[in-house]
Amino acid sequence: AQSVTQLDSQVPVFEEAPVELRCNYSSSVSVYLFWYVQYPNQGLQLLLKYLSGSTLVKGINGFEAEFNKSQTSFHLRKPSVHISDTAEYFCAVKENFGNEKLTFGTGTRLTIIP
Amino acid sequence: NAGVTQTPKFQVLKTGQSMTLQCAQDMNHEYMSWYRQDPGMGLRLIHYSVGAGITDQGEVPNGYNVSRSTTEDFPLRLLSAAPSQTSVYFCASRQGLTYYEQYFGPGTRLTVT
Repeated sequence: AQSVTQLDSQVPVFEEAPVELRCNYSSSVSVYLFWYVQYPNQGLQLLLKYLSGSTLVKGINGFEAEFNKSQTSFHLRKPSVHISDTAEYFCAVKENFGNEKLTFGTGTRLTIIP
Repeated sequence: NAGVTQTPKFQVLKTGQSMTLQCAQDMNHEYMSWYRQDPGMGLRLIHYSVGAGITDQGEVPNGYNVSRSTTEDFPLRLLSAAPSQTSVYFCASRQGLTYYEQYFGPGTRLTVT
């Protein structure tokens, strides 16, 4: 069974500084990886996904993530954050084959300090 | 397109009461799912459907029923509410076998007293 670990529950960052949100996963088979963002009192929105191919994936709002198979990681990065990036970020994993189950991490709350 | 819609937005139930959370999508998506979100636990899959008439259990199905009579609708039923079902419930849909982006509804905040 797959699992996802987001090591940081809260990350405060100054505006215009870079940020990295960490995600590690565990699975016995190949996986697809996702990052979702949840703004206050809203549903989740897909930021980016890794299905196959290039390990560096670019998403919306200037975010990118790198799939590292040897370290089973899929860290999310942004070179310069804005106040509008304040939200909760969820990493998720799905096995390539099998059922519909999308396993989410516990989330990282990103707070941007003006 | 309205995307994925959920009703109600908020609900308070007493222990033992029943209710149905509504979910509808207008994107003609085959796959629909229900998740619950609890503090510190991320989202957990309750039930899902891969098409009209086909449903299956997710990670935490106990206490919930679903059915899928149309492509558009996927209601979630609580037969006898318990305080442990206090949570935020999200419905999601996606297009089909090779499309992995899930579209989420705005959520229903349920409190069971």
